[in-house]
Amino acid sequence: DSGVTQTPKHLITATGQRVTLRCSPRSGDLSVYWYQQSLDQGLQFLIQYYNGEERAKGNILERFSAQQFPDLHSELNLSSLELGDSALYFCASSFPQTGSNYGYTFGSGTRLTVV
Amino acid sequence: AQKITQTQPGMFVQEKEAVTLDCTYDTSDPSYGLFWYKQPSSGEMIFLIYQGSYDQQNATEGRYSLNFQKARKSANLGISASQLGDSAMYFCAMRDLNNAGNMLTFGGGTRLMVKP
Repeated sequence: DSGVTQTPKHLITATGQRVTLRCSPRSGDLSVYWYQQSLDQGLQFLIQYYNGEERAKGNILERFSAQQFPDLHSELNLSSLELGDSALYFCASSFPQTGSNYGYTFGSGTRLTVV
Repeated sequence: AQKITQTQPGMFVQEKEAVTLDCTYDTSDPSYGLFWYKQPSSGEMIFLIYQGSYDQQNATEGRYSLNFQKARKSANLGISASQLGDSAMYFCAMRDLNNAGNMLTFGGGTRLMVKP
């Protein structure tokens, strides 16, 4: 157990639907990062939150949004789902936000299948 | 912009032999960190080894070593005495330590297959 909890582990949904992926960071970590891993795109950074505020944005579609709550857990909302959104979605957490020599702790991922 | 390149999509290695996985990077920032992660078929991302841009010595962690050549902008991963359990995807990643976002940029990965 890495300390980062992602739920659900698997999700199957239809095109056009909306889903929410949840991430609880490792205890003490303030930053949460979301990544998308699809077969043809590799691991792509989506968005980062630090202590409740958006800190950096990557290749995140407008149909996707995220937030980090006061208890530091984060949710990634994916709407108007398309077949191409099928991927493994990772959450990672880290502390401190800058100056660290250490990497992240990754969750086990949520595998999203859009049918 | 940062870029990580892994030129070996797939590699085979005989069990108990050593193997090197290549990684080159591109950044204009003097302060950065380089990471290697392992992703077995189960999907989780496992941290293997880290090298800071100002570290004088190459990093080692058990059977893993990182051959850091700053002038060539390469950070190759060495695995000694390969085991069947080493069969997995391996990702090189970079983090710009001066970037407020501190996100990781990943290479495309190398699939390593260990033959018995």
